[in-house]
Amino acid sequence: IAGITQAPTSQILAAGRRMTLRCTQDMRHNAMYWYRQDLGLGLRLIHYSNTAGTTGKGEVPDGYSVSRANTDDFPLTLASAVPSQTSVYFCASSAGQGSQPQHFGDGTRLSIL
Amino acid sequence: GENVEQHPSTLSVQEGDSAVIKCTYSDSASNYFPWYKQELGKGPQLIIDIRSNVGEKKDQRIAVTLNKTAKHFSLHITETQPEDSAVYFCAASMNRGSTLGRLYFGRGTQLTVWP
Repeated sequence: IAGITQAPTSQILAAGRRMTLRCTQDMRHNAMYWYRQDLGLGLRLIHYSNTAGTTGKGEVPDGYSVSRANTDDFPLTLASAVPSQTSVYFCASSAGQGSQPQHFGDGTRLSIL
Repeated sequence: GENVEQHPSTLSVQEGDSAVIKCTYSDSASNYFPWYKQELGKGPQLIIDIRSNVGEKKDQRIAVTLNKTAKHFSLHITETQPEDSAVYFCAASMNRGSTLGRLYFGRGTQLTVWP
């Protein structure tokens, strides 16, 4: 079934450690996004990529980095995890720039201790 | 950037009744308004969307209305069923500059449908 695959599904991590969340899509979508979801705050955009080779900052980019080496993959890296980064992380993709439907993965539940 | 507000934060209805969730947005340049349903442990799933050149759109028991003048849009679910229980998110997007295509989400509504 076509869609977005995120890995791992959940992770417990010690503060200060480095962590990369993986996201792969097989829909050949140009645009990809990373969101974090916290109770009562909805979904907030961390970083995005409108096409392979380009990335941009969202609302809450501090402490996170991304890369977009090819169309299908969009990993999110926490260089040195802190407890405030405990959250559920969702990757999404859309066919192109402009107002397009976004398709979401099932998320990575990350706890930083 | 855009600011989307969503009400109510929780909504309980009896099976068979209707449910209405309302959202407002701040930037008149927004032109695309999707609604997502999120079930426990899953990612948000698009259920319906509307563009600014349309005032209303229906898909079976679900409808969305848009009032561009007042800058608000609403989700209407008729004949609710227990499987409609989930968190619903509204969002807004615009085709302009650095925010091109980005979605701005409301904070969500927890809908509970009692049998």
